[in-house]
Amino acid sequence: RKEVEQDPGPFNVPEGATVAFNCTYSNSASQSFFWYRQDCRKEPKLLMSVYSSGNEDGRFTAQLNRASQYISLLIRDSKLSDSATYLCVVNPGGAFSGGYNKLIFGAGTRLAVHP
Amino acid sequence: ETGVTQTPRHLVMGMTNKKSLKCEQHLGHNAMYWYKQSAKKPLELMFVYSLEERVENNSVPSRFSPECPNSSHLFLHLHTLQPEDSALYLCASSQDRTGGEYGYTFGSGTRLTVV
Repeated sequence: RKEVEQDPGPFNVPEGATVAFNCTYSNSASQSFFWYRQDCRKEPKLLMSVYSSGNEDGRFTAQLNRASQYISLLIRDSKLSDSATYLCVVNPGGAFSGGYNKLIFGAGTRLAVHP
Repeated sequence: ETGVTQTPRHLVMGMTNKKSLKCEQHLGHNAMYWYKQSAKKPLELMFVYSLEERVENNSVPSRFSPECPNSSHLFLHLHTLQPEDSALYLCASSQDRTGGEYGYTFGSGTRLTVV
C-alpha cells in the first residue's frame, strides 16, 4: 500500500464550481498534514496545513479524519487560477521520521478549471 | 535574495559528464533536502541534511553524491548518470528539525536531461 494515496484526476470543473479532493495515508501515527499546490513545471508551494479540528483559508477548507486516516481539501467558487496539481503531504513524525522533519508526498490530483 | 534558490534551472548532460546542482537558502532553516520528481510519480526523497549532518539516504545510487558545507548551502554532485535519471530535482529547506508543524519551502528546481 502506498504511504499517501490520491486520485490522480484530472478533475475538470467549470468556474464557480465546488470541488473536493481526498487523500488517504497508511501510517496511523502520522503527526502533521499539508496540502501543497504545484503548477505545471514549477515547484510545489505550501497551500495550507491541515489541523485536527479542520481549518479554512478563504475558499479552501481542509479536514482531517485520523480514525479513517483520511484528509480532504474543498475548494469553493473555483477560479481559473486554481488549475494546478494538488499534493497531499504527510509528516510521519516521531520514530518514523528519524527525528527530523520528513514529508511524504502523494502523487497529486490534477484540477482543471474551465470558463 | 530570499527563499530557496537553485541553479542551474535547466541542465543537459551526457552520461560521461560530471556536473553539480546547487541550492542556497536564505531563510535561516536548519534542514535541507533533495527530492527527485519524475513524470507521473510522487516526489521521491533522496537525501536529508539536518544541522549539516546527513541523516537519511534513501538508497540513492552512488552516482548521486550530496554535499552540505553549511546550513545554507546544499549541493548534488552528478557523475555517469543514466537516461532514467532525467527528472526535476528539487531542493527544499525547513525550520523544524524534529518533525513539527512546518512544511517545506522549495526551490524552483533543476530540470535535468541525460542524453
